[in-house]
Amino acid sequence: DIVLTQSPGTLSLSPGERATLSCRAAQSVSSSYLAWYQQKPGQAPRLLIYGASSRATGIPDRFSGSGSGTDFTLTISRLEPEDSAVYFCQQYGNSPPYTFGQGTKLEIK
Amino acid sequence: EAQLVESGGGLVKPGGSLRLACAASGFSFTNAWMSWVRQAPGKGLEWVGRIKDKADSATTDYAAPVKGRFTISRDDSINTLYLQINSLRTEDTAVYYCTAGSAYHLKYWGQGTLVTVSS
Repeated sequence: DIVLTQSPGTLSLSPGERATLSCRAAQSVSSSYLAWYQQKPGQAPRLLIYGASSRATGIPDRFSGSGSGTDFTLTISRLEPEDSAVYFCQQYGNSPPYTFGQGTKLEIK
Repeated sequence: EAQLVESGGGLVKPGGSLRLACAASGFSFTNAWMSWVRQAPGKGLEWVGRIKDKADSATTDYAAPVKGRFTISRDDSINTLYLQINSLRTEDTAVYYCTAGSAYHLKYWGQGTLVTVSS
């Protein structure tokens, strides 16, 4: 299994600030195989970014993804109160096909 | 608009069985690779298993903790995905999400159904 480690565990920022969330893989991951999800309390996760940097349908351009190899980043510029959520990264591999990071909780003050 | 609606969750005793269903609409279910993902209370996401589309022989894969106990199937005639869960353990307690997507990521998610395993 490829282990994904997300940091920080919790991030507390104010509206209008920029959030930078990290996802580090224990082995190199193809950029095509890295995705990010947002999960708000009581809701199902929602796909934000796939292929490391492509936004899913309907996702605002405040959300951007970058990175390659073992280091990937989700950046949220101009934070809004509704961005408060837990963010998970996910990679596709051979076995198992999908593994997730443990999540980063983003709090908007 | 794509929609996935799970059903079948509930309270079951250890060792018991349950069958979850997921009704899909708004996208090409026949061509979708479908997965189940679970989330224990207050925990992260755990992939449970996947079934490919008919073109890929509807091949199934399972996570190690559930292999041999869980079975995924699909009925393309009614756009429905199933998860048969046998020999339930307390550690199987979780919200179970039905997902649809490509081989590489999970594009659509249902709202989830809660399975509680307790005596």
